[in-house]
Amino acid sequence: DAGVTQSPTHLIKTRGQQVTLRCSPKSGHDTVSWYQQALGQGPQFIFQYYEEEERQRGNFPDRFSGHQFPNYSSELNVNALLLGDSALYLCASSLVSLAGTKQYFGPGTRLTVT
Amino acid sequence: EDKVVQSPLSLVVHEGDTVTLNCSYEVTNFRSLLWYKQEKKAPTFLFMLTSSGIEKKSGRLSSILDKKELFSILNITATQTGDSAIYLCAVPTQGGSEKLVFGKGTKLTVNP
Repeated sequence: DAGVTQSPTHLIKTRGQQVTLRCSPKSGHDTVSWYQQALGQGPQFIFQYYEEEERQRGNFPDRFSGHQFPNYSSELNVNALLLGDSALYLCASSLVSLAGTKQYFGPGTRLTVT
Repeated sequence: EDKVVQSPLSLVVHEGDTVTLNCSYEVTNFRSLLWYKQEKKAPTFLFMLTSSGIEKKSGRLSSILDKKELFSILNITATQTGDSAIYLCAVPTQGGSEKLVFGKGTKLTVNP
Protein backbone atom coordinates (compact mmCIF):
# COMPACT_ATOMS: atom_id res chain seq x y z
CA ASP A 1 0.00 0.00 0.00
CA ALA A 2 1.71 3.17 -1.20
CA GLY A 3 1.84 5.98 1.27
CA VAL A 4 1.70 9.66 0.48
CA THR A 5 4.14 10.60 -2.27
CA GLN A 6 5.44 14.03 -3.22
CA SER A 7 7.55 15.38 -6.05
CA PRO A 8 10.07 16.76 -6.49
CA THR A 9 12.12 16.06 -3.36
CA HIS A 10 14.27 19.16 -3.74
CA LEU A 11 13.89 22.34 -5.72
CA ILE A 12 15.96 25.50 -6.10
CA LYS A 13 14.28 28.59 -7.53
CA THR A 14 15.08 32.27 -7.91
CA ARG A 15 13.09 35.11 -6.38
CA GLY A 16 10.12 36.06 -8.54
CA GLN A 17 9.79 32.66 -10.16
CA GLN A 18 6.84 30.31 -9.88
CA VAL A 19 6.85 26.73 -8.59
CA THR A 20 4.48 23.74 -8.68
CA LEU A 21 4.68 20.94 -6.14
CA ARG A 22 2.79 17.66 -6.48
CA CYS A 23 1.24 15.20 -4.07
CA SER A 24 -0.44 11.81 -4.40
CA PRO A 25 -2.46 10.78 -1.36
CA LYS A 26 -2.42 7.44 0.41
CA SER A 27 -4.63 4.89 -1.29
CA GLY A 28 -8.27 5.33 -0.28
CA HIS A 29 -7.81 8.86 1.07
CA ASP A 30 -9.86 11.67 -0.41
CA THR A 31 -8.61 14.76 1.45
CA VAL A 32 -5.28 16.51 0.93
CA SER A 33 -3.79 19.20 3.15
CA TRP A 34 -0.65 21.25 2.52
CA TYR A 35 1.69 22.56 5.21
CA GLN A 36 4.77 24.78 5.19
CA GLN A 37 7.51 23.98 7.68
CA ALA A 38 10.23 26.59 8.14
CA LEU A 39 13.46 25.61 9.86
CA GLY A 40 12.97 25.14 13.58
CA GLN A 41 9.20 25.51 13.39
CA GLY A 42 6.24 23.18 13.38
CA PRO A 43 4.27 22.77 10.16
CA GLN A 44 1.90 25.65 9.32
CA PHE A 45 -1.38 24.88 7.55
CA ILE A 46 -1.68 26.36 4.05
CA PHE A 47 -4.95 24.88 2.76
CA GLN A 48 -6.98 21.71 2.39
CA TYR A 49 -8.71 20.17 -0.61
CA TYR A 50 -11.68 17.86 -0.62
CA GLU A 51 -13.82 16.89 -3.63
CA GLU A 52 -11.65 19.11 -5.83
CA GLU A 53 -12.47 22.24 -3.82
CA GLU A 54 -10.50 24.28 -1.31
CA ARG A 55 -12.23 23.61 1.97
CA GLN A 56 -10.20 25.72 4.36
CA ARG A 57 -7.28 28.10 4.09
CA GLY A 58 -4.62 29.20 6.55
CA ASN A 59 -2.98 32.63 6.80
CA PHE A 60 -1.11 32.51 3.52
CA PRO A 61 -1.27 35.10 0.71
CA ASP A 62 -2.99 34.53 -2.61
CA ARG A 63 0.40 33.76 -4.15
CA PHE A 64 -0.23 30.29 -2.75
CA SER A 65 -2.85 28.39 -4.72
CA GLY A 66 -3.75 24.79 -5.24
CA HIS A 67 -5.74 22.25 -7.09
CA GLN A 68 -7.12 18.77 -6.53
CA PHE A 69 -7.73 16.38 -9.39
CA PRO A 70 -10.47 13.74 -9.75
CA ASN A 71 -8.00 11.02 -8.65
CA TYR A 72 -7.49 13.03 -5.39
CA SER A 73 -3.91 14.02 -6.21
CA SER A 74 -3.08 17.65 -5.62
CA GLU A 75 -0.79 20.48 -6.65
CA LEU A 76 0.50 23.46 -4.73
CA ASN A 77 1.50 26.51 -6.76
CA VAL A 78 3.46 29.44 -5.43
CA ASN A 79 3.86 32.56 -7.58
CA ALA A 80 6.33 35.44 -7.26
CA LEU A 81 8.60 33.51 -4.93
CA LEU A 82 10.17 35.31 -1.98
CA LEU A 83 13.24 34.32 0.00
CA GLY A 84 10.91 33.65 2.95
CA ASP A 85 9.14 30.93 0.98
CA SER A 86 12.17 28.68 1.47
CA ALA A 87 10.87 25.80 3.55
CA LEU A 88 9.87 22.15 3.60
CA TYR A 89 6.43 21.74 2.02
CA LEU A 90 4.49 18.80 3.38
CA CYS A 91 1.43 17.17 1.96
CA ALA A 92 -0.87 15.13 4.19
CA SER A 93 -3.77 12.92 3.21
CA SER A 94 -6.62 11.80 5.42
CA LEU A 95 -9.92 10.00 5.52
CA VAL A 96 -12.56 11.01 7.99
CA SER A 97 -13.84 8.21 10.23
CA LEU A 98 -15.91 7.95 13.37
CA ALA A 99 -12.74 7.24 15.33
CA GLY A 100 -11.31 10.59 14.32
CA THR A 101 -9.10 11.76 11.52
CA LYS A 102 -5.43 10.90 11.23
CA GLN A 103 -3.35 12.77 8.73
CA TYR A 104 -0.54 10.88 7.03
CA PHE A 105 2.36 12.92 5.72
CA GLY A 106 4.49 12.59 2.64
CA PRO A 107 8.27 13.04 2.63
CA GLY A 108 7.98 16.68 1.64
CA THR A 109 9.55 18.94 -0.95
CA ARG A 110 12.48 21.07 0.17
CA LEU A 111 12.19 24.43 -1.62
CA THR A 112 15.11 26.82 -1.60
CA VAL A 113 14.60 30.32 -2.99
CA THR A 114 17.77 32.26 -3.83
CA GLU B 1 -6.61 31.76 18.45
CA ASP B 2 -5.86 28.05 18.68
CA LYS B 3 -2.44 27.38 20.16
CA VAL B 4 -0.15 24.43 20.91
CA VAL B 5 2.96 24.86 23.04
CA GLN B 6 5.62 22.18 23.44
CA SER B 7 8.40 21.97 25.97
CA PRO B 8 11.26 21.63 26.14
CA LEU B 9 12.23 22.77 22.64
CA SER B 10 15.42 20.76 22.81
CA LEU B 11 16.64 17.86 24.91
CA VAL B 12 19.92 15.91 24.96
CA VAL B 13 20.06 12.59 26.84
CA HIS B 14 22.14 9.42 26.98
CA GLU B 15 21.00 6.04 25.76
CA GLY B 16 18.93 4.30 28.39
CA ASP B 17 17.51 7.49 29.89
CA THR B 18 13.77 8.09 30.20
CA VAL B 19 12.37 11.31 28.75
CA THR B 20 9.08 13.17 29.11
CA LEU B 21 7.95 15.59 26.45
CA ASN B 22 5.19 18.09 27.17
CA CYS B 23 2.41 19.54 25.07
CA SER B 24 -0.17 22.09 26.24
CA TYR B 25 -2.99 23.37 24.08
CA GLU B 26 -5.72 25.96 23.82
CA VAL B 27 -8.27 25.08 21.19
CA THR B 28 -11.98 25.55 20.71
CA ASN B 29 -14.06 22.36 20.68
CA PHE B 30 -11.24 19.95 21.46
CA ARG B 31 -11.66 16.54 19.88
CA SER B 32 -8.24 14.90 19.77
CA LEU B 33 -4.50 15.40 20.12
CA LEU B 34 -1.90 13.78 17.90
CA TRP B 35 1.79 13.03 18.34
CA TYR B 36 4.16 12.68 15.39
CA LYS B 37 7.85 11.76 15.08
CA GLN B 38 9.84 13.62 12.43
CA GLU B 39 13.26 12.16 11.66
CA LYS B 40 14.27 13.61 8.33
CA LYS B 41 11.24 14.88 6.50
CA ALA B 42 7.90 13.10 6.80
CA PRO B 43 6.25 13.30 10.23
CA THR B 44 5.17 9.76 11.09
CA PHE B 45 2.08 9.18 13.19
CA LEU B 46 2.59 7.93 16.76
CA PHE B 47 -0.59 8.38 18.77
CA MET B 48 -4.03 9.94 18.68
CA LEU B 49 -5.55 10.71 22.06
CA THR B 50 -9.19 11.55 22.57
CA SER B 51 -10.04 10.49 26.12
CA SER B 52 -8.60 11.89 29.28
CA GLY B 53 -6.56 9.63 31.53
CA ILE B 54 -6.25 6.70 29.14
CA GLU B 55 -2.66 5.85 28.35
CA LYS B 56 -1.71 4.82 24.84
CA LYS B 57 1.36 2.60 24.53
CA SER B 58 3.53 1.41 21.70
CA GLY B 59 6.66 -0.38 22.81
CA ARG B 60 8.82 2.04 24.77
CA LEU B 61 6.61 5.01 23.90
CA SER B 62 3.51 5.99 25.81
CA SER B 63 1.29 9.03 25.95
CA ILE B 64 -1.51 10.33 28.11
CA LEU B 65 -3.95 13.20 27.87
CA ASP B 66 -5.34 15.46 30.61
CA LYS B 67 -8.36 17.27 29.21
CA LYS B 68 -8.99 19.17 32.42
CA GLU B 69 -5.52 20.71 32.53
CA LEU B 70 -5.25 20.86 28.71
CA PHE B 71 -2.00 19.01 28.24
CA SER B 72 -0.47 15.77 27.08
CA ILE B 73 2.84 14.07 27.76
CA LEU B 74 4.86 11.68 25.63
CA ASN B 75 7.16 9.33 27.53
CA ILE B 76 10.02 7.38 26.02
CA THR B 77 11.71 4.81 28.25
CA ALA B 78 15.12 3.21 27.72
CA THR B 79 15.93 5.66 24.94
CA GLN B 80 17.98 4.56 21.94
CA THR B 81 19.94 6.59 19.39
CA GLY B 82 17.18 5.80 16.89
CA ASP B 83 14.77 7.83 19.01
CA SER B 84 16.66 10.99 18.01
CA ALA B 85 14.11 13.08 16.15
CA ILE B 86 11.76 16.03 16.42
CA TYR B 87 8.55 15.14 18.22
CA LEU B 88 5.55 17.17 17.13
CA CYS B 89 2.26 17.63 18.93
CA ALA B 90 -0.80 18.71 16.94
CA VAL B 91 -4.46 19.44 17.57
CA PRO B 92 -7.18 19.58 14.91
CA THR B 93 -9.16 22.81 14.97
CA GLN B 94 -12.89 23.28 14.69
CA GLY B 95 -14.64 23.49 11.36
CA GLY B 96 -14.68 19.89 10.31
CA SER B 97 -11.76 20.23 7.95
CA GLU B 98 -9.32 18.76 10.47
CA LYS B 99 -6.76 21.50 9.96
CA LEU B 100 -3.91 20.64 12.32
CA VAL B 101 -2.29 23.24 14.55
CA PHE B 102 1.23 22.16 15.49
CA GLY B 103 3.58 23.08 18.25
CA LYS B 104 7.17 23.97 17.41
CA GLY B 105 8.29 20.48 18.32
CA THR B 106 10.83 19.05 20.75
CA LYS B 107 14.18 18.11 19.26
CA LEU B 108 15.41 15.02 21.08
CA THR B 109 19.04 13.94 20.74
CA VAL B 110 20.02 10.59 22.24
CA ASN B 111 23.77 10.12 22.56
CA PRO B 112 25.41 6.70 22.81
